[in-house]
Amino acid sequence: DSGVTQTPKHLITATGQRVTLRCSPRSGDLSVYWYQQSLDQGLQFLIQYYNGEERAKGNILERFSAQQFPDLHSELNLSSLELGDSALYFCASSVVSGRDTQYFGPGTRLTVL
Amino acid sequence: AQSVAQPEDQVNVAEGNPLTVKCTYSVSGNPYLFWYVQYPNRGLQFLLKYITGDNLVKGSYGFEAEFNKSQTSFHLKKPSALVSDSALYFCAVLTDSWGKLQFGAGTQVVVTP
Repeated sequence: DSGVTQTPKHLITATGQRVTLRCSPRSGDLSVYWYQQSLDQGLQFLIQYYNGEERAKGNILERFSAQQFPDLHSELNLSSLELGDSALYFCASSVVSGRDTQYFGPGTRLTVL
Repeated sequence: AQSVAQPEDQVNVAEGNPLTVKCTYSVSGNPYLFWYVQYPNRGLQFLLKYITGDNLVKGSYGFEAEFNKSQTSFHLKKPSALVSDSALYFCAVLTDSWGKLQFGAGTQVVVTP
């Protein structure tokens, strides 16, 4: 167990809908990262927050947004969902950033029908 | 751009034999390299990382990796594979100071009894 928790484990929804994925980092970690894993694109970095502020952005669609709250948990919001958004979404956390090891949560499997 | 490549989609090895999973990298500057393992329906588990120092890095579960600057490689090794090592292995490189990881495509390891 990495100490990173993600809810829900599974999510099934329809095209056009909006969902929110939640992540709680390990105790003491200030940075949260979101990744998407799909068969097509592999593991892709989406976005990173450090102590409530956005620090790095990857190939995140405009329909997706995230935030990190004062208690350091983070939420990833996915809207206007398309079939191609079906994937495993992972959250990771690290103490600060950079060379610190990132510890991954168990993921949320999103299925868009 | 920083990137890693895993040239093998799958590696098959008999239990008890040495296991090697290959990774090559392309970076400007000093590379910071990581190995993760993913078991079915689980998140990524950290195995080891190379930041600086000794070229031979020891990690979890008996794994080690050798950093080779001249060959731009960071191969993962285990002297004696176990059936329980069967999983998907990812090599990753740090692409910025904030912690954005670029992952390889992954190598499926199959260890047969």
